[in-house]
Amino acid sequence: DTAVSQTPKYLVTQMGNDKSIKCEQNLGHDTMYWYKQDSKKFLKIMFSYNNKELIINETVPNRFSPKSPDKAHLNLHINSLELGDSAVYFCASALSGVSGRKQYFGPGTRLTVT
Amino acid sequence: KQEVTQIPAALSVPEGENLVLNCSFTDSAIYNLQWFRQDPGKGLTSLLLIQSSQREQTSGRLNASLDKSSGRSTLYIAASQPGDSATYLCAVLLIKAAGNKLTFGGGTRVLVKP
Repeated sequence: DTAVSQTPKYLVTQMGNDKSIKCEQNLGHDTMYWYKQDSKKFLKIMFSYNNKELIINETVPNRFSPKSPDKAHLNLHINSLELGDSAVYFCASALSGVSGRKQYFGPGTRLTVT
Repeated sequence: KQEVTQIPAALSVPEGENLVLNCSFTDSAIYNLQWFRQDPGKGLTSLLLIQSSQREQTSGRLNASLDKSSGRSTLYIAASQPGDSATYLCAVLLIKAAGNKLTFGGGTRVLVKP
């Protein structure tokens, strides 16, 4: 059973396009995250949602808009894609208020903007 | 602002040797620290999670220590095997009113030679 899943796994698109990445978790967690891993392999948090409410927005361009239709889903929509958006995007989830707050990561979506 | 540093950036050892990976962080007010493994082109696998009140955690050949006051954690991998080749990432969790934030180090790329 997949705990945190992302679709698509690979995404190749041209500059200026709009694209979405989907994330779903079946762990019953109430907090979900989006991270970006750049070409230098540095992982940085982008957004955090708790119970469908935006908690963290880490100075991400407003071309990036997360949407959480319910606690099990956190989608990432990107408008007007730029070359610098090429990266691997990871979704993660955790359960707040529980000792540990361990984050579980999805397999990643490799976005290539040409 | 929390900064996490991992040294060395890359490590190559012959099979059977013990591995020692270092992680340091600037803000000692962490909630927990996680060690992850990332294989090329893959997602993140959580290896060990140490709560701020703990000194170490062990799982099989893996042992992670935490010295919160000095802002350091060390991951030991005993009797390394070629299958241990991967990038190892440490991440610290800060609990803030503005949201829980996981900050990653740059990773240590490990190669275990048969």
